[in-house]
Amino acid sequence: EAQVTQNPRYLITVTGKKLTVTCSQNMNHEYMSWYRQDPGLGLRQIYYSMNVEVTDKGDVPEGYKVSRKEKRNFPLILESPSPNQTSLYFCASKTVRRTGSYEQYFGPGTRLTVT
Amino acid sequence: AQKITQTQPGMFVQEKEAVTLDCTYDTSDQSYGLFWYKQPSSGEMIFLIYQGSYDEQNATEGRYSLNFQKARKSANLVISASQLGDSAMYFCAMREGHELTGGGNKLTFGTGTQLKVEL
Repeated sequence: EAQVTQNPRYLITVTGKKLTVTCSQNMNHEYMSWYRQDPGLGLRQIYYSMNVEVTDKGDVPEGYKVSRKEKRNFPLILESPSPNQTSLYFCASKTVRRTGSYEQYFGPGTRLTVT
Repeated sequence: AQKITQTQPGMFVQEKEAVTLDCTYDTSDQSYGLFWYKQPSSGEMIFLIYQGSYDEQNATEGRYSLNFQKARKSANLVISASQLGDSAMYFCAMREGHELTGGGNKLTFGTGTQLKVEL
């Protein structure tokens, strides 16, 4: 079954304590992204990756890091979390098709609270 | 300026009726794509439908259709024969540029429309 998995699904942490949210996809997709969802703002892209070792900033990259050492994994790293990073985080992956039509698969989301 | 505008924060529709969710977009790119996603209360994001800027026909996927009016820069979602299970938040999103380029990976989302289907 095609899927994107995220761990943990829920996390409450304290300011400054480094954390990593993992994302894994089993569809051999090249493109992967991280988004955060905040009330009234929709989803905003944090980082994306076009392939292994190729990453770039999205709209709201401050305070986040990513890595893409393997095609299936795209972890999101918060080196020093702050309360304004309390949010719902989604990992997504998609294939590139020549027709221009594709589905973007989203993970189930990680609800992060930073106190 | 907002790239994706959804002007309806909330809507109610009766079961079995059709409903249109509005979405307007702003881009200077010639190549772009428009998407609709559904987010039920459980939180997952579910892909519904896609329209490419060069597609001449409106996209359809089962009960979902996208009313694409390029000159007006609108991409409204039409749900026919609403069901109780359609109650959810709906997001319109846009990809600017061609998807085969790096920039084509980014989706910009609107703020969503909360749809409630009633008996």
